[in-house]
Amino acid sequence: GQQLNQSPQSMFIQEGEDVSMNCTSSSIFNTWLWYKQDPGEGPVLLIALYKAGELTSNGRLTAQFGTTRKDSFLNISASIPSDVGIYFCAGQLIQGAQKLVFGQGTRLTINP
Amino acid sequence: KAGVTQTPRYLIKTRGQQVTLSCSPISGHRSVSWYQQTPGQGLQFLFEYFSETQRNKGNFPGRFSGRQFSNSRSEMNVSTLELGDSALYLCASRQTGNTEAFFGQGTRLTVV
Repeated sequence: GQQLNQSPQSMFIQEGEDVSMNCTSSSIFNTWLWYKQDPGEGPVLLIALYKAGELTSNGRLTAQFGTTRKDSFLNISASIPSDVGIYFCAGQLIQGAQKLVFGQGTRLTINP
Repeated sequence: KAGVTQTPRYLIKTRGQQVTLSCSPISGHRSVSWYQQTPGQGLQFLFEYFSETQRNKGNFPGRFSGRQFSNSRSEMNVSTLELGDSALYLCASRQTGNTEAFFGQGTRLTVV
C-alpha cells in the first residue's frame, strides 16, 4: 500500500537535545497528523495540520505542513525521557474520508 | 469522556479459524476506521464505517470484513485466518467533519 517516507527511522539522543523528523510523499495531502505510539498501546494524536505552510505547536512539540502539501516535519525541543517512543506521520488524501496513509515511524531513544 | 475501547486486547487463534474484534468509539463519534499494524508493512488502512455504511476500503482481501451498528460500535471479522494475519489491529474514531482520528489500544492477534 501507499506509504509516506518518514525519516530518520531511528534516533538516539541525549536528554535535553532537540529532535527533528520529517515525512515526504509524491502525493498532495489535505491534512497531516502526527502521532506517538508507546509499546503495546495505540497511537496518540499529538498535532493536526490543515493548511499548507501552517506551523502549530503543542508544548515542546512543533509541526509544520509543507508549502507544497507533500511534506511535513515535527520538532521536539529539550527532549525528556517520556518522549521515548515511535512517532508516526499520517496524511489524509481524500477530504472527508478517514483513509489515513502512515509513515514507517521514527523510533526515538533517549540516553539520560 | 471515555476513549476508544477495543476488545479483546489479546487473542490467539489457529490458522483457518475466524475471529471477530470489537470497537466502541468515543461517545458522539460516528466514524470508525480499522487499521492493521505489522512490523513489515506498518500501519495499513482496512476500512471506514459511518452511519452503518462502509465508506472506504483498503487493499485487503475479502476475508477481512466489518460492520457498524446503530450505536456506532463496530466489529471487524477475519475469516480463514492465515499466519500473516498476526498483527495489532487498531480502531480509530472521529467526529463528523473532523479529520482527527483517535485510536484505541488495539487488539493483538496471534495466529498459530
